[in-house]
Amino acid sequence: DVKVTQSSRYLVKRTGEKVFLECVQDMDHENMFWYRQDPGLGLRLIYFSYDVKMKEKGDIPEGYSVSREKKERFSLILESASTNQTSMYLCASTPQGSDEAFFGQGTRLTVV
Amino acid sequence: KQEVTQIPAALSVPEGENLVLNCSFTDSAIYNLQWFRQDPGKGLTSLLLIQSSQREQTSGRLNASLDKSSGRSTLYIAASQPGDSATYLCAVRRGGGKLIFGQGTELSVKP
Repeated sequence: DVKVTQSSRYLVKRTGEKVFLECVQDMDHENMFWYRQDPGLGLRLIYFSYDVKMKEKGDIPEGYSVSREKKERFSLILESASTNQTSMYLCASTPQGSDEAFFGQGTRLTVV
Repeated sequence: KQEVTQIPAALSVPEGENLVLNCSFTDSAIYNLQWFRQDPGKGLTSLLLIQSSQREQTSGRLNASLDKSSGRSTLYIAASQPGDSATYLCAVRRGGGKLIFGQGTELSVKP
């Protein structure tokens, strides 16, 4: 089974902190994605990556950055957390081509 | 710009009913369409993937259809059970691998 693992299920951080959300996949997928999910807004794409050291902005990249130093790992960074970044964060991976996308279990981040 | 719409937003049915969830999309230039299930506070679980060249896919009590020309997909759940209660999301995949999601249908199956 494909496994996409997010490092934390729940996180509570203070305003202004630098926050790292980690995602690891074990199926050698080329593409990795970070989404956030909010009630009434659905899933929105923050950043994605097609390969190591490559990154592309999604629909809502402001306030976030990403890092992909190894193929299996894709990190989302909140440079200075703010309360409006309180959300559920979901990581996904897909192979090249048109195959299935797989998601991690989600990280519920609360910024206080 | 691709938009994905799911109707209804919420659905409550008695156990044992057959039901249909709807998904529509505005741009037929898709690679595939995928249905997911999400339990409260959890991640997304893939249910069915339909490639753009296919018309339907089946897995157990689930059947998903795709009509690209009309921009529609349906997820049919046979003999619903309380354990089917969850939010169901459809997503279309475009070039570059990005998934565009609908808002989801929250399903409640009453015993």
